[in-house]
Amino acid sequence: ETGVTQSPTHLIKTRGQQVTLRCSSQSGHNTVSWYQQALGQGPQFIFQYYREEENGRGNFPPRFSGLQFPNYSSELNVNALELDDSALYLCASSEAMNTEAFFGQGTRLTVV
Amino acid sequence: DQQVKQNSPSLSVQEGRISILNCDYTNSMFDYFLWYKKYPAEGPTFLISISSIKDKNEDGRFTVFLNKSAKHLSLHIVPSQPGDSAVYFCAASRKTTGNQFYFGTGTSLTVIP
Repeated sequence: ETGVTQSPTHLIKTRGQQVTLRCSSQSGHNTVSWYQQALGQGPQFIFQYYREEENGRGNFPPRFSGLQFPNYSSELNVNALELDDSALYLCASSEAMNTEAFFGQGTRLTVV
Repeated sequence: DQQVKQNSPSLSVQEGRISILNCDYTNSMFDYFLWYKKYPAEGPTFLISISSIKDKNEDGRFTVFLNKSAKHLSLHIVPSQPGDSAVYFCAASRKTTGNQFYFGTGTSLTVIP
């Protein structure tokens, strides 16, 4: 039990649609990062938020966006879904940028 | 551009023996390395880490070795137990960017009773 909860656990969307994935972190965790894990691959860093500001971004297009809220929850939004967006999406939270990161169980997104 | 590589997709060892999982990286700016363990339908969980100022870190049955000149690290599990069966991910980061990890593709470890 990591104290990090993601919803929904599974989701099916149609190409071109938009999706919002949610992450609820432990109280006091000011840093949240999102990762995309395609089948057979390791997680790839999408972006990180610290105290509600974006604090770093990986090699993902602008149609991937995020929000972090004062209540330690966060969202990952993906617009104009493509088939290749099908993956497991993981969020990880920590108290600070260099303290232990705790991962949620992930949201499995399938784009058809 | 895969900056962290795990070239062995799978590994099988007998219970009680040593498991050695390997990882290579290409970016010399990485100064912090971690191993995560992942069971099916769960998120990765932190196992052990090492800073680039060290060449070894030990925690119980788990030891991580870092060879900076070769840009190589390894995870040793001794003795291996059936409950260790999982996918192991190597990850790297820079202290200046915090928990922005670059992960390898994972090694699936099976410990045979």
